[in-house]
Parts: sequence; structure tokens; C-alpha cells
Amino acid sequence: QSVLTQPPSASGTPGQRVTISCSGSSSNSGSNTVNWYQQLPGAAPKLLIYSNNQRPSGVPDRFSGSKSGTSASLAISRLQSEDEADYYCASWDGSLNGPVFGGGTKLTVL
Amino acid sequence: QVQLVQSGAEVRKPGASVKLSCRASGYTFTSYTIHWVRQAPGQRLEWMGWINIGNGNTKYSQKFQGRVTITRDTSASTAYMELSSLRSDDTSVYYCARDLFGVGYSSSFDYWGQGTLVTVS
Repeated sequence: QSVLTQPPSASGTPGQRVTISCSGSSSNSGSNTVNWYQQLPGAAPKLLIYSNNQRPSGVPDRFSGSKSGTSASLAISRLQSEDEADYYCASWDGSLNGPVFGGGTKLTVL
Repeated sequence: QVQLVQSGAEVRKPGASVKLSCRASGYTFTSYTIHWVRQAPGQRLEWMGWINIGNGNTKYSQKFQGRVTITRDTSASTAYMELSSLRSDDTSVYYCARDLFGVGYSSSFDYWGQGTLVTVS
């Protein structure tokens, strides 16, 4: 099954910059845009980045996204304690004819 | 403000069916596609299908084809997802989510319901 691959965990200290990677294939991130979601404990996912690098209204500019080839990245600058959450990437998959998600990265703010 | 409010937790026995609801408010219901996504404990998000609220067209993940039915009632601004032949591994939190671009063929979901826990046991 076509999936997106993320590191299971990431960490940083307050004020630092962290990046989370998302690796896919030609059928998903290689040919379609990537979105990022933040999921706080016990809550529904929240759209953080869409169309590779666009922020919805209300999302701080500390969050940024990029994509190159089949890989995408989410960068969080000026890390804050409230950024501690699970982060998921997502993309349309042309082979499966539906959206696919990464396995999620648990971000810990030390 | 845009809101998606889902029905409450359900418990079913294996082999049974469950029908969940997702009531929308704060926007023109017929202008956006609604997706259903589930998340098993400790697992990744998993897309199940969508419904074009305007014309009622649906598209389902191949994994759930034959077991899932998504419908809508425009008069009630509510979308529904019914899953049949439930198994223990269907135990998950089920979310409805609005398509940012309204069209369906995307993975951009800008508003989510609060989730409904379905336990199959």
C-alpha cells in the first residue's frame, strides 16, 4: 500500500527550530501537493499547511512547509511548549485514488 | 463560525453495523465535500471516503468498498457514514472533515468534527 513515511519522533527545546520530514512516492507526494496536520492529545487534527507551503488563516508564521521531489518537510521555528503534538503529512495518491497519510511524528518539547 | 458536530460514542458487537452523523453549521452545506477519516488507537489517520454534498456523488476507499455507505440530508445539513460487518479492528475514532477546496479530490481538510469513538467488542 502506498504510504507516506515520517520519523516517529522529534524533539527540541523552546526557541529552537525543528523540522519533520515526509517521504512518499511518485504516485502521491511526487505528483500531488502535501498537507500537514497538527493533532494535540485527545483532539481532532488541525490543518497546519496546505498545498505544500500555504498556511490557513490563524496559523502562526512559525510554521512553514516545503516540498522537493517526493519529499516534504514541516519546519517549526521558535519552538514553544504548546507545539508538543503529533504531526501528520498527507497527500492525494493517484494509484489508490484517495488521500494517504503519514504515520505521524510525535514532537516533544524538552 | 464553521462547525462540524458528530454524534456520540457507540458500542457494537462484531458483525453489526453503525451509522454516524456529522451536522454542519456556519457555511453553505451544499458547497463543500465531506470526507470521513478514521484513526485506530495509536495508528495513522485512514481515509474512508467522501460525499459531494451538492450532488450526492460518493467515492470510497477500496479498503472499505462494500462495507461503507456515506449519505447526506441537505435539509438537516448532516452527513452520515454507515459501516457494516464490523470487526474488532474497526474500533477507532471516526472523524468527518470538510474539504478545503470543496471538490473531493484532495487531502486538504480545513474543518474537522470532534470525532466519534466506535468500539467493536
